[in-house]
Amino acid sequence: GQQVMQIPQYQHVQEGEDFTTYCNSSTTLSNIQWYKQRPGGHPVFLIQLVKSGEVKKQKRLTFQFGEAKKNSSLHITATQTTDVGTYFCAGPSFIFGKGTRLHILP
Amino acid sequence: SAVISQKPSRDICQRGTSLTIQCQVDSQVTMMFWYRQQPGQSLTLIATANQGSEATYESGFVIDKFPISRPNLTFSTLTVSNMSPEDSSIYLCSVEQGASGYTFGSGTRLTVV
Repeated sequence: GQQVMQIPQYQHVQEGEDFTTYCNSSTTLSNIQWYKQRPGGHPVFLIQLVKSGEVKKQKRLTFQFGEAKKNSSLHITATQTTDVGTYFCAGPSFIFGKGTRLHILP
Repeated sequence: SAVISQKPSRDICQRGTSLTIQCQVDSQVTMMFWYRQQPGQSLTLIATANQGSEATYESGFVIDKFPISRPNLTFSTLTVSNMSPEDSSIYLCSVEQGASGYTFGSGTRLTVV
């Protein structure tokens, strides 16, 4: 069945450094969604990408959807302690990536 | 977006017993979804619950173990039956919000001892 592979599994960055997580699929995705889950919390929807090559920004977060609609990335510029959590991508049919856990070193 | 009230937020249960988790949505929704999230892991869909019909279960999940009720368009329950330590997990309900993705309940952290 369809899967989305997400890397890296963990990322430690100094506060102020950038962070990127990647999501890849072997098949074309009709859309991809990104979620953030704070430690002890529940997943919270961030964004949905639908169009080939789409780029969306939310303040320091930049989301991209590949031209072939098989990969996506989330980039955070100048991380802050509030960015701590696990970031999940999700394809159609309720398929979630394994997530990237972001740790911020003060 | 919809607001989901999920309870209990956590519970510690004896093996062999059952726990029923409730989710109340502040608006009417056609489908509700139940997920399991094992510690440090991703989310796995258990089943989709439509009002007025039997839930649709994903591979590896069966109705006898995870019976679901959906009596109306704002409410659903998931029961974890005959629990074993392997059922220790976070259980989440969710509703679809179209282009706004899925909204999740706050989760039920279950520990089976």
